Amino acid sequence: QSALTQPASVSGSPGQSITISCTGTSSDIGGYNYVSWYQKHPGKVPKLMIYDVSNRPSGVSNRFSGSKSGNTASLTLSGLQAEDEADYYCSSHIRGDSVTFGGGTKLTVL
Amino acid sequence: QVQLVQSGAEVKKTGASVRVSCQASGYTFTSYTIHWVRQAPGQSLEWMAWIDTGNGKTKYSQNFQGRVTVTRDASASTAYMELSSLTSEDTAVYYCARQAGGGPRYDPWGQGTLVTVSS
Repeated sequence: QSALTQPASVSGSPGQSITISCTGTSSDIGGYNYVSWYQKHPGKVPKLMIYDVSNRPSGVSNRFSGSKSGNTASLTLSGLQAEDEADYYCSSHIRGDSVTFGGGTKLTVL
Repeated sequence: QVQLVQSGAEVKKTGASVRVSCQASGYTFTSYTIHWVRQAPGQSLEWMAWIDTGNGKTKYSQNFQGRVTVTRDASASTAYMELSSLTSEDTAVYYCARQAGGGPRYDPWGQGTLVTVSS
């Protein structure tokens, strides 16, 4: 299975907003509303930030939001904070009951 | 609380096999599918397989060409992942995760198991 395409890195200053894109195909992102986003700090376990395209688990800040248009999903972080600096991964259901992840995006808070 | 606890770190020789366990607690084990995901050093997360802990049905990533097998022991609330014919490229942290809804909604994750493969 091919990985979803994410930018290798994004950056922003505290208080600003950033968006991370995740591009797939009609067999994954475009075909299902099953896109999740994970935050991963080095040496830590991935943390679920968004599921089913735009839903936030309880306890996740409302500064995180998700959306989808066609074959591309997006994660938006508003009001950037130093603690948001981490790697972010998108994930999608694929036709045939498989799963795929994106290549990951390193977020730097300047 | 809902928790997944994995077995400890492993060091294996090239060509060997490794089995990682994932013990669940705090919920009905057979009500949720368990997925396995790995992360090699400096690499992305990579999905490997899932197992329906209720009926034992499995699904595997084509990327592993038959080298991965996932099983479960419902009486022990434990899932297992075995990877065979190990190479240095299999050096990674291996995670189990509970599928909390439709799609790749994983919560919680196990703490991860480092598998190191050397010659």
